[in-house]
Amino acid sequence: EAGVAQSPRYKIIEKRQSVAFWCNPISGHATLYWYQQILGQGPKLLIQFQNNGVVDDSQLPKDRFSAERLKGVDSTLKIQPAKLEDSAVYLCASSLEWLSNEQFFGPGTRLTVL
Amino acid sequence: TQLLEQSPQFLSIQEGENLTVYCNSSSVFSSLQWYRQEPGEGPVLLVTVVTGGEVKKLKRLTFQFGDARKDSSLHITAAQTGDTGLYLCAGPRGGTSYGKLTFGQGTILTVHP
Repeated sequence: EAGVAQSPRYKIIEKRQSVAFWCNPISGHATLYWYQQILGQGPKLLIQFQNNGVVDDSQLPKDRFSAERLKGVDSTLKIQPAKLEDSAVYLCASSLEWLSNEQFFGPGTRLTVL
Repeated sequence: TQLLEQSPQFLSIQEGENLTVYCNSSSVFSSLQWYRQEPGEGPVLLVTVVTGGEVKKLKRLTFQFGDARKDSSLHITAAQTGDTGLYLCAGPRGGTSYGKLTFGQGTILTVHP
């Protein structure tokens, strides 16, 4: 069974530029999560989708971050414009359903903002 | 806000030594999970503990959930270089028993040959 796929794996941009990350969850997984992991910290949840609907985006900085999961499968996370403090690893995770405690994580995208 | 605090933050030991990592909170959690994350990879679930006082073993790893469900520990016996990584505890947020997770800040374990 294929795992959670993310791309790109690495991205370097300058502040005020825009960037987008892509995630393809495990086939059949209805719930998708985006986490931000700053160096030396644990992952912090940004947004949770159930199919193509948002369940929780309370910790998403909506002035610059946006995410969508239009067809209930793949998802994109966008930052526009980026700030220095956005430098982090962005992890995508999926689970079979929102009641599931087991989340499967992708390898992450490491973003460096200069 | 439910916070999980892990200690120690860093651990550097020799192969063959034993170690314990702690995960503490002032809040009650319905369950706690332990993940291991290697450089360049996402976290991988090791175990979920659900019942207060529960002990689970995974080869050389022993996980314990506190009686009051506010803390957990991970004990590794005879550490190996392959145990090197970031160990994270996590629990479901907001008093729920599923879904959205809050993570501790992690313990970076380095096992030297």
